Amino acid sequence: RKEVEQDPGPFNVPEGATVAFNCTYSNSASQSFFWYRQDCRKEPKLLMSVYSSGNEDGRFTAQLNRASQYISLLIRDSKLSDSATYLCAVIPYSSASKIIFGSGTRLSIRP
Amino acid sequence: GAVVSQHPSRVICKSGTSVKIECRSLDFQATTMFWYRQFPKKSLMLMATSNEGSKATYEQGVEKDKFLINHASLTLSTLTVTSAHPEDSSFYICSASGLAGGPGSHEQYFGPGTRLTVT
Repeated sequence: RKEVEQDPGPFNVPEGATVAFNCTYSNSASQSFFWYRQDCRKEPKLLMSVYSSGNEDGRFTAQLNRASQYISLLIRDSKLSDSATYLCAVIPYSSASKIIFGSGTRLSIRP
Repeated sequence: GAVVSQHPSRVICKSGTSVKIECRSLDFQATTMFWYRQFPKKSLMLMATSNEGSKATYEQGVEKDKFLINHASLTLSTLTVTSAHPEDSSFYICSASGLAGGPGSHEQYFGPGTRLTVT
């Protein structure tokens, strides 16, 4: 089983829709969780960290479910500019800083 | 803040030659730098973790003699692809972790990547 798994998509949704991705992780002792956004042929950019209490940044909401070992990202009122690949990332307990990335979920917003 | 640069952004080299890629943290001290490789439409694959002043830790399956990593200072790490072959053609991305995100932060900040093509 992969340490971090994501549905590769693609998710193709109309502009203005709400879309959600999940990401599961295998190590129950994992400590830190992140969502990154990667545009085609560009480097990943940190979108948001995911805290135990959940956190929201504008149209983006991240949640952590430790019991079921998954994190989620919700995008409301999606924009054309949200089209990208979204990578979840996890720091396993065994390493203080090494981040394990999921394979990414491709999102395409259509007009 | 938290800017990471990479140089070169793109390089084409002949098979058998060596290529050096630089990764710099411009506005913070990076205690740890990471090197990733990404093939088209694939995920980032961690190659090695580099701590300043010590030997890099390589992931399973990554040849340390082929991918030489040097982390000589808190702001610079280099990756040298030795005796490059066409199958080494890929997008190489570094990231840096340090105090940019505050004490204890594990956030990583990525460089813009280097696209290597070996002919």
